[in-house]
Amino acid sequence: NAGVTQTPKFQVLKTGQSMTLQCAQDMNHEYMSWYRQDPGMGLRLIHYSVGAGITDQGEVPNGYNVSRSTTEDFPLRLLSAAPSQTSVYFCASSSAEGQGAGYTFGSGTRLTVV
Amino acid sequence: QKEVEQDPGPLSVPEGAIVSLNCTYSNSAFQYFMWYRQYSRKGPELLMYTYSSGNKEDGRFTAQVDKSSKYISLFIRDSQPSDSATYLCAMRVPNQGGKLIFGQGTELSVKP
Repeated sequence: NAGVTQTPKFQVLKTGQSMTLQCAQDMNHEYMSWYRQDPGMGLRLIHYSVGAGITDQGEVPNGYNVSRSTTEDFPLRLLSAAPSQTSVYFCASSSAEGQGAGYTFGSGTRLTVV
Repeated sequence: QKEVEQDPGPLSVPEGAIVSLNCTYSNSAFQYFMWYRQYSRKGPELLMYTYSSGNKEDGRFTAQVDKSSKYISLFIRDSQPSDSATYLCAMRVPNQGGKLIFGQGTELSVKP
């Protein structure tokens, strides 16, 4: 049981480049989310999804796109990387409310934009 | 004002001490309360989960929720060096797709 798998683990981008952070879960969870973690800022929600085909914005969505074509996958796209997007990105998944509230997190992607 | 407030520490205690970690929140609609532990350069892992008010115990860990005061706590008994990590409180936003609001995290160091 792999849980939540994120790839890549590390990435360096140049300003203006685009890339996709991959996230996959094998727990048949309905809910998936992307967070970024910055020193002194805690974990902030970027985008989230309650099921295939349904996504919504979180607290800091600008500069990021998501899609959810399957239950298992929830990729995060950086459209035109900026130094302000240097961060650690975590993907997480959870069953729906009332079925256990805890989110399972992936191990993270460390992104540096130069 | 942030929805969830948590003292970032750092907090340093000797091995065997009782540790108390706390968060306050402003949204009375929160029902699900969680504590996550995050080791350096790792993802957060769920430690304790509580629904509504009350206490929950799991081994050396006890989570308390006081909804009347909008205050949650995590107690660690007989703390060990392996408990050294950052502890994050989190609350699930009702009817919003399972959104979590996190505290800033408290960095704990347990000295042998």
